[in-house]
Amino acid sequence: KQEVTQIPAALSVPEGENLVLNCSFTDSAIYNLQWFRQDPGKGLTSLLLIQSSQREQTSGRLNASLDKSSGRSTLYIAASQPGDSATYLCAVRPTNTGTASKLTFGTGTRLQVTL
Amino acid sequence: NAGVTQTPKFRILKIGQSMTLQCTQDMNHNYMYWYRQDPGMGLKLIYYSVGAGITDKGEVPNGYNVSRSTTEDFPLRLELAAPSQTSVYFCASSYPNDGSLGGRGKTQYFGPGTRLLVL
Repeated sequence: KQEVTQIPAALSVPEGENLVLNCSFTDSAIYNLQWFRQDPGKGLTSLLLIQSSQREQTSGRLNASLDKSSGRSTLYIAASQPGDSATYLCAVRPTNTGTASKLTFGTGTRLQVTL
Repeated sequence: NAGVTQTPKFRILKIGQSMTLQCTQDMNHNYMYWYRQDPGMGLKLIYYSVGAGITDKGEVPNGYNVSRSTTEDFPLRLELAAPSQTSVYFCASSYPNDGSLGGRGKTQYFGPGTRLLVL
């Protein structure tokens, strides 16, 4: 059974700092991995999606990497801003789910960026 | 487009009561999903649907039922509410991820959630 772990569970950094969020998964048979952002009381917003054949994806100040063989992904946030404060979730999609994206989620990292 | 909408936003139920959580999407997505998120935990898949009239169980289906009579709507029914069903429920939708739609087929769009408290 796939298990997804995110470390740390919570993180507080001063504005402007670069930071790394970690995600590990136990079964390397994945189709893709996604990073989501969740704001309090809101739904999830997809940030980056990495296909199993890819090594990394970038969007603005965000860069996500994937090492499928070791079961790890990192989300790098450059020059953090207070608006980045949210919970960040990673999710993997197994290879054996047909065309439905039956995702397995990690427990999330709650990020606070202080002034 | 409104995207994925969910009602109600918050509900308190007594043990043994029943209710239906509503989910509607206006993006003409074939696929729809229901997740629950317990405090401090990740989301777990309850049920999903690949099209009208087709539903299937996810990881934690016990205590829930779904139906999909239209492309737009995917209601989740709790028949006999239990305290263990206290959670935040998220509905999501997507295109089928069969490679034919490129990036559009890969992302799920989430609703704002329904917070349910069973006492």
